[in-house]
Amino acid sequence: ELVMTQSPATLSVSPGEGATLSCRASQSVKDNLAWYQHKPGQAPRLLIYGASNRAAGIPARFSGSGSGTEFTLTISSLQSEDYAVYFCHQYDTWPTFGPGTKVDFK
Amino acid sequence: QVQLVESGGGVAQPGGSLRLSCAASGFTFNTYAMHWVRQAPGKGLEWVATISYDSVNIFYADSVKGRFTISRDNSKNTLFLQMNSLRVEDTAIYYCARGGSVVRSWFDSWGQGTRVTVSS
Repeated sequence: ELVMTQSPATLSVSPGEGATLSCRASQSVKDNLAWYQHKPGQAPRLLIYGASNRAAGIPARFSGSGSGTEFTLTISSLQSEDYAVYFCHQYDTWPTFGPGTKVDFK
Repeated sequence: QVQLVESGGGVAQPGGSLRLSCAASGFTFNTYAMHWVRQAPGKGLEWVATISYDSVNIFYADSVKGRFTISRDNSKNTLFLQMNSLRVEDTAIYYCARGGSVVRSWFDSWGQGTRVTVSS
């Protein structure tokens, strides 16, 4: 099974600061990677697909990069509504998800 | 806009059954693959099952194969998950998600989930 890992598990960030989240695959997934934002009690929200393509309606402060086994989600200037759990998802093979990074208030 | 609403969750005993539904609206349901994904308490997301737009291609995670059945009714814009022989470890929030025109794709819309608890 293709295993996804994410780091850090928790990231404490002040409003206006930038945040960098990492996702690693146990084998190459090419660019078949998506990022989602998930808040308690809500539906997960697609942010990035194809490793670097912003989904419709996603603010430009969210950006994705990487290919193969190493991926990064960057939030350039954190807004109050960005505090959430972020998880990555590879769809190169049967879907697997990372455990998530919780972005909380510093 | 795209809306996915799950229902059918609840409490079941080990060995019991539940049938989950996902009502879709706001898009042409019969052109998209659909998926079920679950999240157990304190755990990450786990893919459960996938069905192609035309129900020809169906896939399951090993953990549910032989016990769960995914299906869809394109005339009613509804996705289903029949869960039999339930185990305690099936306890989770179950989400339906919209894929793409092919089965291996990102999930661009999700429901809010329905909670399933398996306990004696």
